Amino acid sequence: GAVVSQHPSWVICKSGTSVKIECRSLDFQATTMFWYRQFPKQSLMLMATSNEGSKATYEQGVEKDKFLINHASLTLSTLTVTSAHPEDSSFYICSARQSAEAFFGQGTRLTVV
Amino acid sequence: AQSVTQPDIHITVSEGASLELRCNYSYGATPYLFWYVQSPGQGLQLLLKYFSGDTLVQGIKGFEAEFKRSQSSFNLRKPSVHWSDAAEYFCAVGAVNNAGNMLTFGGGTRLMVKP
Repeated sequence: GAVVSQHPSWVICKSGTSVKIECRSLDFQATTMFWYRQFPKQSLMLMATSNEGSKATYEQGVEKDKFLINHASLTLSTLTVTSAHPEDSSFYICSARQSAEAFFGQGTRLTVV
Repeated sequence: AQSVTQPDIHITVSEGASLELRCNYSYGATPYLFWYVQSPGQGLQLLLKYFSGDTLVQGIKGFEAEFKRSQSSFNLRKPSVHWSDAAEYFCAVGAVNNAGNMLTFGGGTRLMVKP
């Protein structure tokens, strides 16, 4: 199957700083990628849909200015958590679609201290 | 809007016993249905999927699932559970003919396996 690589796997940052998470489709092109957030022992909640060459579509309640998404190429989407706060600590997962199937990255554990 | 319900938050089974994880969905048309497994601190791995055709689908690691339209269900089964199957399992529904192909996930079922 197709491979989606997410980097970094985990990151610790200070409150007020920004963190960038990368999501790459390694062996296919993805015009659409998705960013999810997962709280401990909970399900995945869609944050936004990232579209190559255009603005991301955010789900209701997700702050666009806080979670900046850029999808500059067909194989790379980035999520930048700006001015991070401890409540942003979470597990972030990206996925990329190939045909009708979604492939997931391994996730990024973000801890804001 | 589509939705997915996994009624069981936790399930514990003995190694070697059979397993069934329940999943009910709500969607107005024919859905795409998926089961994913997630180990702690990891991403999601696809176990199996249903798009159309045979309602009993086979997946990896000995898992299978049956799509029952009349019950709006897509339960996951395995005849004999191994200790390595302990993980979190997510059922998901995807919209047909949706250009974004958004997945909606159930709340997940945590499977624990007793030796």
